[in-house]
Amino acid sequence: DQQVKQNSPSLSVQEGRISILNCDYTNSMFDYFLWYKKYPAEGPTFLISISSIKDKNEDGRFTVFLNKSAKHLSLHIVPSQPGDSAVYFCAASAGGNDMRFGAGTRLTVKP
Amino acid sequence: DSGVTQTPKHLITATGQRVTLRCSPRSGDLSVYWYQQSLDQGLQFLIQYYNGEERAKGNILERFSAQQFPDLHSELNLSSLELGDSALYFCASSVRANEQFFGPGTRLTVL
Repeated sequence: DQQVKQNSPSLSVQEGRISILNCDYTNSMFDYFLWYKKYPAEGPTFLISISSIKDKNEDGRFTVFLNKSAKHLSLHIVPSQPGDSAVYFCAASAGGNDMRFGAGTRLTVKP
Repeated sequence: DSGVTQTPKHLITATGQRVTLRCSPRSGDLSVYWYQQSLDQGLQFLIQYYNGEERAKGNILERFSAQQFPDLHSELNLSSLELGDSALYFCASSVRANEQFFGPGTRLTVL
């Protein structure tokens, strides 16, 4: 069962513009959400997270927004840089257990 | 470098065979997680061990098993391999439940 969904398999943006990656979830018990970034031939690396008690978390160029009523979160990258080109995975967990991942979105930032 | 190591990096085998994938967690991390990533799929959670004990189980087939040893390294055993088992297998470790650090993965090809 796909409890975490990333409906856009790919996204292409111009360098300097904003990248918005979206993620939807179905399990209302999820209370912690994360974004991971994955380069080819490497394992995913943690990027940013948000607890369900917040609706926004910012870290430099990366901001995650959480809309609990819509069961939706998004990752904003601004300004986008060519080095941001990677696959981004959304993940969610309930009580710190059993993290579920989306299928990933491949972001391409064009110079 | 996440500090999590996985061996081997690549593995090619035939249907019906059995393989063992190995993971060494980051120093001090008690939890080890195993994930499977098939082509164009997200990371599917397989199983979690905490300090030698099974903690959580995901979509792990009965043909697959895992264990965590006293030195905290973990092994994932895959038996009666099928073509569909070809995938990237990632191990992750953590000290806190919501912050997992991933290894570089083992690419398994079943011919």
